[in-house]
Amino acid sequence: QQQVKQSPQSLIVQKGGISIINCAYENTAFDYFPWYQQFPGKGPALLIAIRPDVSEKKEGRFTISFNKSAKQFSLHIMDSQPGDSATYFCAARNDNFNKFYFGSGTKLNVKP
Amino acid sequence: NAGVMQNPRHLVRRRGQEARLRCSPMKGHSHVYWYRQLPEEGLKFMVYLQKENIIDESGMPKERFSAEFPKEGPSILRIQQVVRGDSAAYFCASSPRQGASKEQFFGPGTRLTVL
Repeated sequence: QQQVKQSPQSLIVQKGGISIINCAYENTAFDYFPWYQQFPGKGPALLIAIRPDVSEKKEGRFTISFNKSAKQFSLHIMDSQPGDSATYFCAARNDNFNKFYFGSGTKLNVKP
Repeated sequence: NAGVMQNPRHLVRRRGQEARLRCSPMKGHSHVYWYRQLPEEGLKFMVYLQKENIIDESGMPKERFSAEFPKEGPSILRIQQVVRGDSAAYFCASSPRQGASKEQFFGPGTRLTVL
């Protein structure tokens, strides 16, 4: 059973546009939701994270929106740039257990 | 402060051989996690270790796979008698000792190819 479902699988956005990636989770015990950015040949790097006590978190051009009742969260990238082209993974974890459950990834291509 | 280091970065093995993947956590980190990433898929948790202890190996296949994190030296993920299905990227992550955010920092991965 996949604990975290991510969509879309791939996304093409024009430079300056908004990229939106969505994730849904099953386990209501999850209490930490990060997004990771991965470039080809590299390991995932933490981009931004949220806990379920807030509905939105913004860091620069990156915003997480969190809907606890729907068990969904999304990443919004404002003013998308070609340098944002990468694969993005959402993840979830319960603080009592140290393992992350990852979504299947979204390959973002920002066209110049 | 060097990040998480993994070696080798690329490893080619023939079916039936053994693969040894090494991970040196960030300085001051005593928690190590191994994840596997199949092509076009997300990362799947394999095992969580602290120094000399396996804490959670619920994601590790029961046969052929083993992991250790000795008192001295890197963590090792060992795959015996590799098969083509073991071809994947294996990522190691580390987190601080205690009282921290428990954030995990990932290494660059080892890409295993089984011929």
